[in-house]
Amino acid sequence: GAVVSQHPSWVICKSGTSVKIECRSLDFQATTMFWYRQFPKQSLMLMATSNEGSKATYEQGVEKDKFLINHASLTLSTLTVTSAHPEDSSFYICSATPSGGGQTYEQYFGPGTRLTVT
Amino acid sequence: GIQVEQSPPDLILQEGANSTLRCNFSDSVNNLQWFHQNPWGQLINLFYIPSGTKQNGRLSATTVATERYSLLYISSSQTTDSGVYFCAPGPYKLSFGAGTTVTVRA
Repeated sequence: GAVVSQHPSWVICKSGTSVKIECRSLDFQATTMFWYRQFPKQSLMLMATSNEGSKATYEQGVEKDKFLINHASLTLSTLTVTSAHPEDSSFYICSATPSGGGQTYEQYFGPGTRLTVT
Repeated sequence: GIQVEQSPPDLILQEGANSTLRCNFSDSVNNLQWFHQNPWGQLINLFYIPSGTKQNGRLSATTVATERYSLLYISSSQTTDSGVYFCAPGPYKLSFGAGTTVTVRA
């Protein structure tokens, strides 16, 4: 149980184009999902918190107009990298917390999406 | 946010050895998770342990929330244990430490 998928697993795009990454909770509902990025040999950094039916909350320093997040349903959140540039190349990982978990805040992570901007 | 310090940064083990990974954090937490990141980047949930002690096979973890640290024990290590281990505490949102890179040699 508690499986999270991401699509695509890897993507290569040209500079200036936009890329959409999907994050799905497959066997549970998630009111809240999180988006992280990880550069090579580094730790995960939280980018934003995605709440179903409301606007995402972005961490300091993350451009909300560049990284558009939509949490359209209790099982799907999307991250769109707009006007991508080579410095946006990174490993993007989502996570989800099951709804109705009471005081349990355990997050389950997707397999990640490797984005390369040429 | 919470400051997280993991030690040691690198650990090389002979197969069969035991080890302890440490995670210190700067504030009180409601959530603390240990993960193993495999070579493909997937984060594997090891423990959800905001306090207390848990065991799962050869792995166990202890969090002493009042003293703001958590320990991950690996016993009888195997080559498949190699990878990066992350500690991530938080009030709700997780803050990740820099990780401990474990290499287990046959």
